[in-house]
Amino acid sequence: KAGVTQTPRYLIKTRGQQVTLSCSPISGHRSVSWYQQTPGQGLQFLFEYFSETQRNKGNFPGRFSGRQFSNSRSEMNVSTLELGDSALYLCASTLDGTAGDTQYFGPGTRLTVL
Amino acid sequence: AQSVTQPDIHITVSEGASLELRCNYSYGATPYLFWYVQSPGQGLQLLLKYFSGDTLVQGIKGFEAEFKRSQSSFNLRKPSVHWSDAAEYFCAVGARRGSTLGRLYFGRGTQLTVWP
Repeated sequence: KAGVTQTPRYLIKTRGQQVTLSCSPISGHRSVSWYQQTPGQGLQFLFEYFSETQRNKGNFPGRFSGRQFSNSRSEMNVSTLELGDSALYLCASTLDGTAGDTQYFGPGTRLTVL
Repeated sequence: AQSVTQPDIHITVSEGASLELRCNYSYGATPYLFWYVQSPGQGLQLLLKYFSGDTLVQGIKGFEAEFKRSQSSFNLRKPSVHWSDAAEYFCAVGARRGSTLGRLYFGRGTQLTVWP
């Protein structure tokens, strides 16, 4: 099976712009989670989608949003970019997202905000 | 509140030496516990996980971890380190069985350097 894929791998944006990141889960997986990784804050949970519904949400401002499509592919959007949004954004997929379900991570999208 | 502590930010070992990476967690019940590894520019790869039962868990690449409930610890070990093990290692805790809270709480990571 193909692993989790994320596109694009690298992005450079300027403050105030918006960005959309994409994640394709492993075939058959219905849950997709997003994490932000920064040197200062480490790995932080953004949100999780299951069957096109946001099921869990981390402590991020409303500028961070996401959605999931019927084929389980997910996108996350960040509006009005700030310098502090520069990070590696990781997507993880699981079969159904229940506790203990192994999360398989993609390679991430490296976002740089100038 | 759930939390994971990895006390060692950076560890350096010689190739062939043994390795132990420490992890302590705080959680209301016995959680699921995970160790992931991240190589530069890559995502996270699962090394092993603990759900219940035998407290010594075997993983990939020759790693093992031991769950100690009394110490709230889940330390990762390898008897003989290879140069290719150089990477960053993350301990994570997940919610209890049956919960739909599938999110993981991660420690800050331990960077492993291997000397030839």
